[in-house]
Amino acid sequence: ETGVTQSPTHLIKTRGQQVTLRCSSQSGHNTVSWYQQALGQGPQFIFQYYREEENGRGNFPPRFSGLQFPNYSSELNVNALELDDSALYLCASSLEQGANYGYTFGSGTRLTVV
Amino acid sequence: AQSVTQLDSQVPVFEEAPVELRCNYSSSVSVYLFWYVQYPNQGLQLLLKYLSGSTLVKGINGFEAEFNKSQTSFHLRKPSVHISDTAEYFCAVRRNNNDMRFGAGTRLTVKP
Repeated sequence: ETGVTQSPTHLIKTRGQQVTLRCSSQSGHNTVSWYQQALGQGPQFIFQYYREEENGRGNFPPRFSGLQFPNYSSELNVNALELDDSALYLCASSLEQGANYGYTFGSGTRLTVV
Repeated sequence: AQSVTQLDSQVPVFEEAPVELRCNYSSSVSVYLFWYVQYPNQGLQLLLKYLSGSTLVKGINGFEAEFNKSQTSFHLRKPSVHISDTAEYFCAVRRNNNDMRFGAGTRLTVKP
């Protein structure tokens, strides 16, 4: 079975620009969660999608938005980039949204905002 | 709301020594508990999880953790570490269908 694939692996953007990060879920997984991991910190929950609907959101401003497609792949969009948005962005998929289902994480996209 | 505290930001240890990485959580309701490991430039890999039942949970790579409800702790242990165990370890808690919350991480460094 394939794991979670994220693209691109690295990205450099200028403050004020917009960025789209992509995630292909593990085969059969219908739930995807996005996390932001700043350097030296634990992952912070951005939002979760379950069967194409947003299913929960962390403490992130509206300029962080997402989509989940019928094949359960997902996008994270960030508008008006700020320097503090520099981080590793992790995508995690799971078979269902229930807490007893484990997450499979991708290797992340390293975003640098200059 | 639930939160997770990892009591040690860094733990240096010699090869073949035992190690314990400490994790405490706060939640007014039942939660599910997890430990993840992150190697450099990689995503997170699940080590073990506690959902219910026996409070001693065994995971991959020889790690185990014990759920202690009265102390709201979920400490990770390994009786004998290897150089390859050097990594960042994250404790996480999840309540029902809500999001998973992570601690700040513990950097385990195994020295020869």
